[in-house]
Amino acid sequence: TQLLEQSPQFLSIQEGENLTVYCNSSSVFSSLQWYRQEPGEGPVLLVTVVTGGEVKKLKRLTFQFGDARKDSSLHITAAQTGDTGLYLCAGAQAGNTPLVFGKGTRLSVIA
Amino acid sequence: EAGVAQSPRYKIIEKRQSVAFWCNPISGHATLYWYQQILGQGPKLLIQFQNNGVVDDSQLPKDRFSAERLKGVDSTLKIQPAKLEDSAVYLCASSEAGRGTEAFFGQGTRLTVV
Repeated sequence: TQLLEQSPQFLSIQEGENLTVYCNSSSVFSSLQWYRQEPGEGPVLLVTVVTGGEVKKLKRLTFQFGDARKDSSLHITAAQTGDTGLYLCAGAQAGNTPLVFGKGTRLSVIA
Repeated sequence: EAGVAQSPRYKIIEKRQSVAFWCNPISGHATLYWYQQILGQGPKLLIQFQNNGVVDDSQLPKDRFSAERLKGVDSTLKIQPAKLEDSAVYLCASSEAGRGTEAFFGQGTRLTVV
């Protein structure tokens, strides 16, 4: 059973477009994180959200944690080719329980 | 601050052979994870250590996989004997105790079993 469902699985867009990717679960998480992974590298942490309804911004990236702490979204404004990569959400259900990952959204931004 | 170090970066072995991976976490990080990432998928947790104790190894195939973190710092992950389906990237990550679950990853070891 996949605890975290990410959608879409693949996304190919033109440079300058906006996009949103989603991370959904039927479980409540104490914290949720978004990572970006490039080929041949390990995932790199982008943001952690811990409070229901929380919104965090990182330049052109906006992250939102659902009110019930079961889902999250990542919105990218005016995508650039450098945004290309695998976007992973990961959550933990209590302080030191294992971090579980979704399968990721593979984003390709075309010039 | 030095990141998580893993070696080797790449390994090719024949099925039924043995292989070991090494991880040195960020200094001071009490929690260490080993993940398996099959091509096109997200990382799957194999084992989590807190210092030198195992917190969760429920998804570790214990008939062939083993891991240790003897002094609460470095860790090794071993596969013996390897199967074709073990071909994957093996990622090590670490996090500070008490800092929730923000994990920092190494570059991974890409294993190919032929």
